[in-house]
Amino acid sequence: IAGITQAPTSQILAAGRRMTLRCTQDMRHNAMYWYRQDLGLGLRLIHYSNTAGTTGKGEVPDGYSVSRANTDDFPLTLASAVPSQTSVYFCASRIAAGRDTQYFGPGTRLTVL
Amino acid sequence: AQKVTQAQTEISVVEKEDVTLDCVYETRDTTYYLFWYKQPPSGELVFLIRRNSFDEQNEISGRYSWNFQKSTSSFNFTITASQVVDSAVYFCALNFGNEKLTFGTGTRLTIIP
Repeated sequence: IAGITQAPTSQILAAGRRMTLRCTQDMRHNAMYWYRQDLGLGLRLIHYSNTAGTTGKGEVPDGYSVSRANTDDFPLTLASAVPSQTSVYFCASRIAAGRDTQYFGPGTRLTVL
Repeated sequence: AQKVTQAQTEISVVEKEDVTLDCVYETRDTTYYLFWYKQPPSGELVFLIRRNSFDEQNEISGRYSWNFQKSTSSFNFTITASQVVDSAVYFCALNFGNEKLTFGTGTRLTIIP
């Protein structure tokens, strides 16, 4: 059982470049999420998707976009990366929107120079 | 406003000692879920427990136990007979029915051999 996979594991990126972080889950979960983790701030929600074809904004959506073309994949795109987007990014999923447990992927460490 | 507070930023204990991690939350909702996640040095987020607001029974799982008290809005986590493998950052989180899982800032637990 793979669960949630994220790619790349880590990336160093020049400011201004475009970057897509990939997230795939094989649990047939309807809801998926992107969080960023920064020291002293915990995890903050960037975007979410309750089901394929729908997306919504979280707490810190500026500078990020997402799409949900199918159940399994939920890519996060930084259109023009800035140094403040240096962070660890976690993808998560759960069976359905609501109060079920969210399960997390292994994370992507992104450094924007 | 919904908020989760983990006042203990870092805790160090000697192996085999018991340790309690505190979590205090704020929410106006009457129905909500509380979670604990573990983040070991390898970086992944591991789900530990989920508790709903209607169930105030304490939970015990091996050396782990959780004490949920609505009267004090607390959901504390105790590790009995700590081991080096318990060294990690522990996050408490709150879900109050929308898409957002609100995290505390985490407590870094170090178990000294």
